Amino acid sequence: GQNIDQPTEMTATEGAIVQINCTYQTSGFNGLFWYQQHAGEAPTFLSYNVLDGLEEKGRFSSFLSRSKGYSYLLLKELQMKDSASYLCAPGSGAGSYQLTFGKGTKLSVIP
Amino acid sequence: DTGVSQDPRHKITKRGQNVTFRCDPISEHNRLYWYRQTLGQGPEFLTYFQNEAQLEKSRLLSDRFSAERPKGSFSTLEIQRTEQGDSAMYLCASSWGLNQPQHFGDGTRLSIL
Repeated sequence: GQNIDQPTEMTATEGAIVQINCTYQTSGFNGLFWYQQHAGEAPTFLSYNVLDGLEEKGRFSSFLSRSKGYSYLLLKELQMKDSASYLCAPGSGAGSYQLTFGKGTKLSVIP
Repeated sequence: DTGVSQDPRHKITKRGQNVTFRCDPISEHNRLYWYRQTLGQGPEFLTYFQNEAQLEKSRLLSDRFSAERPKGSFSTLEIQRTEQGDSAMYLCASSWGLNQPQHFGDGTRLSIL
């Protein structure tokens, strides 16, 4: 089975840095995705980690530790438009590559 | 790249009716996925196609649900004898290969009266 845990809500100030943690237990782990979802909209792809370490992409970075079943998403220089839900999604299986999504972390950026 | 397209955007129907949704994936993507999302939850996997073959279906998925991808391009998801619990956002996603990001459509919001 799959078990994904991430904080339900977080609040941060515009211009600051925020780290969203995700722990997971999954069989047949094969990489982890982070998605951003604004209210009423579809999830959009942010990052993908398959090996341990940090992946940096502009203001967003994602870290993975496979041995610990742990990942985090780091958002720098927060902007108001970053207010959204952030979904952690480990992938499993060699064939179907099924994603299992956590409930998401609702981030509120305040002035 | 026109993105993943879903139709309709909204569907309101009475309990017991059948509904069908359509998904047009990104043209070069051979993998297509259906998810369901309810308020406050992440998307829940329903089924997956590689080209026209349905390779995986969630064990949680009722027999009232069926999906097709007849020519390996667009896909349809049908729900028969709808129930109140079927009210949700139905999301379609596509990707071009294994371990590649899945790109989501805007979804079809289903409301059962």
